[in-house]
Amino acid sequence: NAGVMQNPRHLVRRRGQEARLRCSPMKGHSHVYWYRQLPEEGLKFMVYLQKENIIDESGMPKERFSAEFPKEGPSILRIQQVVRGDSAAYFCASSPDRSGGVREQFFGPGTRLTVL
Amino acid sequence: GQNIDQPTEMTATEGAIVQINCTYQTSGFNGLFWYQQHAGEAPTFLSYNVLDGLEEKGRFSSFLSRSKGYSYLLLKELQMKDSASYLCAVKGAGGSYIPTFGRGTSLIVHP
Repeated sequence: NAGVMQNPRHLVRRRGQEARLRCSPMKGHSHVYWYRQLPEEGLKFMVYLQKENIIDESGMPKERFSAEFPKEGPSILRIQQVVRGDSAAYFCASSPDRSGGVREQFFGPGTRLTVL
Repeated sequence: GQNIDQPTEMTATEGAIVQINCTYQTSGFNGLFWYQQHAGEAPTFLSYNVLDGLEEKGRFSSFLSRSKGYSYLLLKELQMKDSASYLCAVKGAGGSYIPTFGRGTSLIVHP
């Protein structure tokens, strides 16, 4: 059973370009979470999605950032007009489609974005 | 709001025991997680506590006191491969089940 997949693993962009980060959740998972991790810092929640719905985007900057999780295909985190401060590791996690109980999150390997 | 505190860094000797503490102040409480993260890799799940007491899983144990807003992760018989960052995460109130992560404790195990 493949785990959470993210690609690319490393992404280099120049200031002003767009960055697209992809996440395929574990099989059978329909909950996806995106986090950002700066060096020496903890994981900061950005957005929580279920298929075709954004459930909570309270951690996502209002401008330049957007996320989607279409009915078919991976979840996409899109950063427009990147700036140097966007350089970070972006982790995606998924959790099982079940109600109540422990919704343990399984993390992908992350995408390391470097903005030149 | 949510506030989670962990020591920034700890060092220990191979074969020893180390305790990593985590204190939290959250709006409600819906469980506490510990994750291990090696440099450049994804966090991996270690433990989950929702009731007071000690949960043991092999060399790792996790303790929770809800009244004190306190947890610790206990690592026994340390191995070099245990050198990693250990993240404490707490789920507060609300139905979205989104945990808040601490900054992590970097553990260095030396021979």
